[in-house]
Amino acid sequence: QSALTQPASVSGSPGQSITISCTGISSDPVGYNYVAWYQQHPGKAPKVIIYDVSKRPSGVSDRFSGSKYGNTASLTISGLQTDDTADYYCSSYASSSSLVFGGGTRLTVL
Amino acid sequence: EVQLVQSGAEVKKPGESLKISCKTSGYTFTLYWIAWVRQMSGKGLEWMGFIFPGEYQTRYSPSFRGQVTISADTSTKTAYMEWSSLKTSDTAVYYCARVARLTTPRGWLDPWGQGTLVTVSS
Repeated sequence: QSALTQPASVSGSPGQSITISCTGISSDPVGYNYVAWYQQHPGKAPKVIIYDVSKRPSGVSDRFSGSKYGNTASLTISGLQTDDTADYYCSSYASSSSLVFGGGTRLTVL
Repeated sequence: EVQLVQSGAEVKKPGESLKISCKTSGYTFTLYWIAWVRQMSGKGLEWMGFIFPGEYQTRYSPSFRGQVTISADTSTKTAYMEWSSLKTSDTAVYYCARVARLTTPRGWLDPWGQGTLVTVSS
């Protein structure tokens, strides 16, 4: 299973909204609704910010939202803050026991 | 609090063996899958494999099958990643992470260990 496709980089200004796409989600029910998004700051471990396509873990800001249409998932960050500058990765399942990540998107909040 | 604490950084020579660890606490070790993820310097996340300690089941990415061995010790609630013969291309940060959904590998990874830097150089 090839990596999911994400844009290499996106940027925005504080207060704006941005959307990161993730293409190549399996249409198989096995992986269809198991999309997650992770935020990784430099030198730190990734942290989940969205799971099951659109659910937010406790403690994650409601500025982060997820959606999916067809084989493309999206992460939207509204009200950008400088601390949102980080790498973002999507993930899904290619089969019942095979996890795949996107190539990662570097978000810069200028 | 669920925690995964990984062993410290390692510097090895090509051809040497290595076993790194991921010690867990705060949950029932045998009920959740654990994933291992590689991140080479400046690169993205790569899933290596899963282990389900409760039944000692493993799943490997085709890219890593035969290159590494994933294991677990239920008595110490610790998962392991092992290499029998390291290559310079194994230089990377390796993360363990718990699959947060009960008894299935199909879930989000949360929490993550802090990562173990493995450097392989002659």
